[in-house]
Amino acid sequence: DAGVIQSPRHEVTEMGQEVTLRCKPISGHDYLFWYRQTMMRGLELLIYFNNNVPIDDSGMPEDRFSAKMPNASFSTLKIQPSEPRDSAVYFCASRLGNEQFFGPGTRLTVL
Amino acid sequence: AQKVTQAQTEISVVEKEDVTLDCVYETRDTTYYLFWYKQPPSGELVFLIRRNSFDEQNEISGRYSWNFQKSTSSFNFTITASQVVDSAVYFCALSEGNAGKSTFGDGTTLTVKP
Repeated sequence: DAGVIQSPRHEVTEMGQEVTLRCKPISGHDYLFWYRQTMMRGLELLIYFNNNVPIDDSGMPEDRFSAKMPNASFSTLKIQPSEPRDSAVYFCASRLGNEQFFGPGTRLTVL
Repeated sequence: AQKVTQAQTEISVVEKEDVTLDCVYETRDTTYYLFWYKQPPSGELVFLIRRNSFDEQNEISGRYSWNFQKSTSSFNFTITASQVVDSAVYFCALSEGNAGKSTFGDGTTLTVKP
């Protein structure tokens, strides 16, 4: 298996633009997580899914953020409109049992 | 409210030394999970361990070991015979319930010098 795949790896956009981050979890994993990492706030869990169903989105910072998981092999995190303070590394992770694996992250820069 | 404290911001050791990274947590739940993650300089996140609140057995995996003590709300991580490749930021995290909202510590930066 190729592991958790995230795209793009780097994204530079301008304030106000829509940004969509993509994640392909490891096949067979039943949990999917979206995290954000910044210098100011450290690592934060934004939202997680179990069997494609969003379970807890209390970490999503505001309504500009939305996440979907239309099927077991794909999830998106969308920011619209983006703001400079959204600049961060966004990690996707999937889990089965006690094993959790992270994607390489998407480094987002909002100018 | 849950909280994770990693009091050691930075630790520097010389190769082959043993090093312990401390993690103290706070939660009101009786069911919770504790995690350790490694973030090497390359930036990726590596999952190391997940332990539930009902399992206080210590865990050993190669040079890594974890000491979970509910009495002191601690989940410490020891690296035996450290190596340069162990240099990374290590995060401790807590989640309530099966997956739950996770709270991360601020991380401990470990530098292992040759």
